[in-house]
Amino acid sequence: DTGVSQDPRHKITKRGQNVTFRCDPISEHNRLYWYRQTLGQGPEFLTYFQNEAQLEKSRLLSDRFSAERPKGSFSTLEIQRTEQGDSAMYLCASSRRGGSSYNEQFFGPGTRLTVL
Amino acid sequence: DQQVKQNSPSLSVQEGRISILNCDYTNSMFDYFLWYKKYPAEGPTFLISISSIKDKNEDGRFTVFLNKSAKHLSLHIVPSQPGDSAVYFCAAIQGAQKLVFGQGTRLTINP
Repeated sequence: DTGVSQDPRHKITKRGQNVTFRCDPISEHNRLYWYRQTLGQGPEFLTYFQNEAQLEKSRLLSDRFSAERPKGSFSTLEIQRTEQGDSAMYLCASSRRGGSSYNEQFFGPGTRLTVL
Repeated sequence: DQQVKQNSPSLSVQEGRISILNCDYTNSMFDYFLWYKKYPAEGPTFLISISSIKDKNEDGRFTVFLNKSAKHLSLHIVPSQPGDSAVYFCAAIQGAQKLVFGQGTRLTINP
């Protein structure tokens, strides 16, 4: 299977702890996106990378959030000092810049975070 | 501000009939629109898309219509099948960057 993968699929943590999620995009895709989805809402954009460069960050991404894509391949999203309001599904997507289908983003299965 | 809106939280359709899901947007700079399908505990799955220079795109049972003057798009599924039961998200994009999603419509296909 060469789709987008995310790890872990589920994470339960206590308030105040740090958590880190990983995303492995489709191998030939040079763009990688992070979104967050809460119950009853559509996914909301957090940030995106083109290769290793982080090109845009949403105002939803507070100082406690940091994302990296060090070698332009996999990416990590870290949340420091988690709060109950951080509980959500964190989705990663990737796309290929250029070509006829460059607008289409393909999503991974998501990481469901529960902060107790 | 909600730039992409799906005003129907749910829709129930009989198997074999047509399902029509609607979406409205406010930002005239959006240049590409996509529909995603989502099952519980899974990520969204890309379904079909349309460029703003077109008014219709068809792929098998799925057709997307775009009315730019009304800032409205719709997804038609015909015939509807039980496996189509899922949450459907409309999304818009400007300049090949971030997707802006609607709130979703839960489609239920009844046998």
